[in-house]
Amino acid sequence: DQQVKQNSPSLSVQEGRISILNCDYTNSMFDYFLWYKKYPAEGPTFLISISSIKDKNEDGRFTVFLNKSAKHLSLHIVPSQPGDSAVYFCAASPNSGGYQKVTFGIGTKLQVIP
Amino acid sequence: KAGVTQTPRYLIKTRGQQVTLSCSPISGHRSVSWYQQTPGQGLQFLFEYFSETQRNKGNFPGRFSGRQFSNSRSEMNVSTLELGDSALYLCASSLRAGDQETQYFGPGTRLLVL
Repeated sequence: DQQVKQNSPSLSVQEGRISILNCDYTNSMFDYFLWYKKYPAEGPTFLISISSIKDKNEDGRFTVFLNKSAKHLSLHIVPSQPGDSAVYFCAASPNSGGYQKVTFGIGTKLQVIP
Repeated sequence: KAGVTQTPRYLIKTRGQQVTLSCSPISGHRSVSWYQQTPGQGLQFLFEYFSETQRNKGNFPGRFSGRQFSNSRSEMNVSTLELGDSALYLCASSLRAGDQETQYFGPGTRLLVL
């Protein structure tokens, strides 16, 4: 049972446009959410996080939005750049500590077309 | 500063065999965590070691075990391999235990079980 769902396995976006990656979760106990980016042949790298007390967190071109009532979060990348082409993992946990509690989605492959 | 290194990078085994994977964390990092990545399940937490002690364990059978040495290097062992163990195994290190945001992942070991 996937508690963190990334329903789009892939996404293609033109350079300069907005990329929107979506993530849904089912566990009401989740209150801390993270996004990781993964390039081929490399491990994932932490991108941005948000706790449930917020509905938006911004870091440069990356913004994460959280809709707790819908159990939905999204990652916006504006403007998208070819270097953003990677697999993006959404992850969630009941609190901000402890790896064993983190549940990852299966990832969305983003391709930014020059 | 050198990143997290994992050896070997690729491995082919047959069912019933056992395998040992190695992870060298970033210098100074004392926490090492292991994850299994499969296409259908995403990233799943295996276990975390801190100062040679297993701190947390995910929901994997006892065939999966690990250890950490005094120099923080870690090994993961899988005994009696099954076809379903074919996956990318990622190791991550961090300064503090359980810190999802500042864990650094290695490139992974891709295991194929035939």
